[in-house]
Amino acid sequence: GENVEQHPSTLSVQEGDSAVIKCTYSDSASNYFPWYKQELGKRPQLIIDIRSNVGEKKDQRIAVTLNKTAKHFSLHITETQPEDSAVYFCAASTGGFKTIFGAGTRLFVKA
Amino acid sequence: NAGVMQNPRHLVRRRGQEARLRCSPMKGHSHVYWYRQLPEEGLKFMVYLQKENIIDESGMPKERFSAEFPKEGPSILRIQQVVRGDSAAYFCASSPTDDQPQHFGDGTRLSIL
Repeated sequence: GENVEQHPSTLSVQEGDSAVIKCTYSDSASNYFPWYKQELGKRPQLIIDIRSNVGEKKDQRIAVTLNKTAKHFSLHITETQPEDSAVYFCAASTGGFKTIFGAGTRLFVKA
Repeated sequence: NAGVMQNPRHLVRRRGQEARLRCSPMKGHSHVYWYRQLPEEGLKFMVYLQKENIIDESGMPKERFSAEFPKEGPSILRIQQVVRGDSAAYFCASSPTDDQPQHFGDGTRLSIL
């Protein structure tokens, strides 16, 4: 079955710096890759997603890249702010069936 | 459009009791997913349902756990004879089709005494 690995598990950056979180997946049939942000005690919230027919997608300070050949995808957050501090989860899915999540990255943005 | 509604938000049970967790999907969403999250850990897939059908239950323990999504009413995740290890946050998500993004509820935090 699908396996998603996420690195790093913890990331600490200075406010204004960039943060990069990387994920790899095992199932070459995976074609949908969402990213979720979860603040302490709250629900996971979708922040950006990418489908396999696209190599990169950007939404303001957030971008995601996908390399299907290498089976890895990354989240890039530029100009980080303290409110970006949260746990970020990547996920991989084959058309919405059983979405497999990475273990999460705890991002700390220091003011 | 109300989001995914889960209740109760917090549930306390004693060992051996039954826990019933409810999830009402977003309006227009017929696909429901249940996940379990332990403290400091990721989301573990449990079960995927469409109206009246279980599509994939490969992540759900074979014993004591069951899920349903009836034609009318919310989806129910039922845990019988709860044990301490069942303590976790249980999240429900819904989507309009199986290839659209999943939207999560606020979760039910289950504590077993």
